[in-house]
Amino acid sequence: DTEVTQTPKHLVMGMTNKKSLKCEQHMGHRAMYWYKQKAKKPPELMFVYSYEKLSINESVPSRFSPECPNSSLLNLHLHALQPEDSALYLCASSQVLVETQYFGPGTRLLVL
Amino acid sequence: ILNVEQSPQSLHVQEGDSTNFTCSFPSSNFYALHWYRWETAKSPEALFVMTLNGDEKKKGRISATLNTKEGYSYLYIKGSQPEDSATYLCAARGETSGSRLTFGEGTQLTVNP
Repeated sequence: DTEVTQTPKHLVMGMTNKKSLKCEQHMGHRAMYWYKQKAKKPPELMFVYSYEKLSINESVPSRFSPECPNSSLLNLHLHALQPEDSALYLCASSQVLVETQYFGPGTRLLVL
Repeated sequence: ILNVEQSPQSLHVQEGDSTNFTCSFPSSNFYALHWYRWETAKSPEALFVMTLNGDEKKKGRISATLNTKEGYSYLYIKGSQPEDSATYLCAARGETSGSRLTFGEGTQLTVNP
C-alpha cells in the first residue's frame, strides 16, 4: 500500500465550528507532515511529526492543533478558523525525516 | 527559507512535442531537489529526488538533470502526451533546512491532442 489517504475531501465550516482533518498511511513511515496550499501558491509547511512527536511547528496559529495518535494516523483539529484559512490542506509522509515525501490528495476547506 | 523559482509558469504544447522547464534554487545551501507531478484532484506524485551535481534521472519519457554549482534543475518531457498535462512542482531542501521542503510555484503543462 503506497497511498496516503485524507478525509474528508471537502469541508465547509463556520468560524465557530470545531472540525478535524484526518490523514492515514500504512507504509510504515515514521514522519508525517501537514501543508497548507492557497490557490496558485506553493504548498507551505505547517507541522512535522517524527516518531509521533511534534518536530516542527512553523509558527502556526493555535486555532490549528495537530495530533499524531499513532504512527499511521495524523489529525489536524480546527477551531475558530477565519475565512483566510480557506485552502487545500495536504498531508504527506516519509520513511523518516529528509526522505522523499508522499502526499495525499488533500482536503479542500472553506471557512464561511 | 530557500527561494525556489520555476519557469515558465504555464506551458501549452501539442501532442508529440518535447518540452522542458526549469527550477532554480540557491546553490550555496543545497542538500536535495525533488520533482513532483500533480494532476488536478489527485495527490502530488513523487518523480525524482536528486542530490549530486550532474545527477540525471529518468522515468519513461520524463527525465531531469541537476546543476548544484549554478543552482538549477531541468525537467524534460519527450514526445508529450495529453496525459502528461499536470502541474510540475520542484522542491528544494537546504543543508540547514532539516526536513523542510521549499516548493516552487510550479509549471502548469497542458498538452493539446
